[in-house]
Amino acid sequence: GAVVSQHPSRVICKSGTSVKIECRSLDFQATTMFWYRQFPKQSLMLMATSNEGSKATYEQGVEKDKFLINHASLTLSTLTVTSAHPEDSSFYICSAPLAGGLETQYFGPGTRLLVL
Amino acid sequence: AQRVTQPEKLLSVFKGAPVELKCNYSYSGSPELFWYVQYSRQRLQLLLRHISRESIKGFTADLNKGETSFHLKKPFAQEEDSAMYYCALSGRNQGGKLIFGQGTELSVKP
Repeated sequence: GAVVSQHPSRVICKSGTSVKIECRSLDFQATTMFWYRQFPKQSLMLMATSNEGSKATYEQGVEKDKFLINHASLTLSTLTVTSAHPEDSSFYICSAPLAGGLETQYFGPGTRLLVL
Repeated sequence: AQRVTQPEKLLSVFKGAPVELKCNYSYSGSPELFWYVQYSRQRLQLLLRHISRESIKGFTADLNKGETSFHLKKPFAQEEDSAMYYCALSGRNQGGKLIFGQGTELSVKP
């Protein structure tokens, strides 16, 4: 089946630094990818839609200058948490639909970010 | 407003007992409903979706538009069913965006 990978799986950084998280579709092309944030024992909250070749679409309340998204190719989207603060500590998950639209979404394993 | 509600944070049953995980939604339009499952230390994966009308691992879910519900059911729970279950909604013109419920942790005891 389709596989989505994320790198790194976990990262610890100091407050004020920027952290880049990669999301790759390993055996299929994804013109669209989604980025979610998950707090412990809570739901996944959609942050933004990453669009290959165009700007990302952010959900209400998500700071686009804080969470920079770049969809560099049909298999790679990156999320950069700029000037990270402890409140940005969370589990970040990406997903990609196999054929766009409403097809089955495949999720990455997630990236655990801890900002000290 | 689009919303998915899973009223139970934790559901604990004994092996062999029936299971029903509740999901209610709010959406102005024709929604696509999904159940996703996350086993311990694994990534989120699709369990089933209403348009397929299929049974996966013995689980079924029927979309009830009148009650705006999409409850997940299994007649006889197994220990390996223990996991987090998320109900999710997507709209036809939403480009695949998923709105998730809060999740229900299912614990099946021996």
